[in-house]
Amino acid sequence: DTAVSQTPKYLVTQMGNDKSIKCEQNLGHDTMYWYKQDSKKFLKIMFSYNNKELIINETVPNRFSPKSPDKAHLNLHINSLELGDSAVYFCASSHAQARRQFFGPGTRLTVL
Amino acid sequence: ELKVEQNPLFLSMQEGKNYTIYCNYSTTSDRLYWYRQDPGKSLESLFVLLSNGAVKQEGRLMASLDTKARLSTLHITAAVHDLSATYFCAVDGGTSGSRLTFGEGTQLTVNP
Repeated sequence: DTAVSQTPKYLVTQMGNDKSIKCEQNLGHDTMYWYKQDSKKFLKIMFSYNNKELIINETVPNRFSPKSPDKAHLNLHINSLELGDSAVYFCASSHAQARRQFFGPGTRLTVL
Repeated sequence: ELKVEQNPLFLSMQEGKNYTIYCNYSTTSDRLYWYRQDPGKSLESLFVLLSNGAVKQEGRLMASLDTKARLSTLHITAAVHDLSATYFCAVDGGTSGSRLTFGEGTQLTVNP
């Protein structure tokens, strides 16, 4: 039944480590997104993929690298984690035409 | 650059009262969304507003859009405790694909 799922739900790691977050959607959507929600709850788009092609790449450090192996999956890899990367990361998906976005449960990343 | 401002950012109200949350945005857009977020949870889509004068209602919530004034409102009627959450408006500034810019969120607390 899960529409947009993310793993893991919580991620606690040390500065300098590399980590990945995975996202999958079973809604048949062709567009997927990554958002970052900071400690003040502000949400900002990071990346968007349409049919595995990167279409939005906001001003994000190149330590963040998204990968979309197919339309249903979008992963986020983060190298050399920093304290400021601590946030909740949300995956979302939509149809390119309909554009209404459905959000995953979020991954709370804590960098120590 | 598209900017989206909500006010108020914090709203404490009594059950049974009415109130309105405002969402102003800086550039032309053809669609606006309202989302609800409970603490530690994902974003739940409430309304999609697609045209000038659009009005949508669901239970005690009613959303409207004035594209000429670049203003959307979320009106709460006879508030109940279950409406306590953070409400976000998001404006779609995308031309090819969706690109949501979120407001800061309004944290609503409904007191018995």
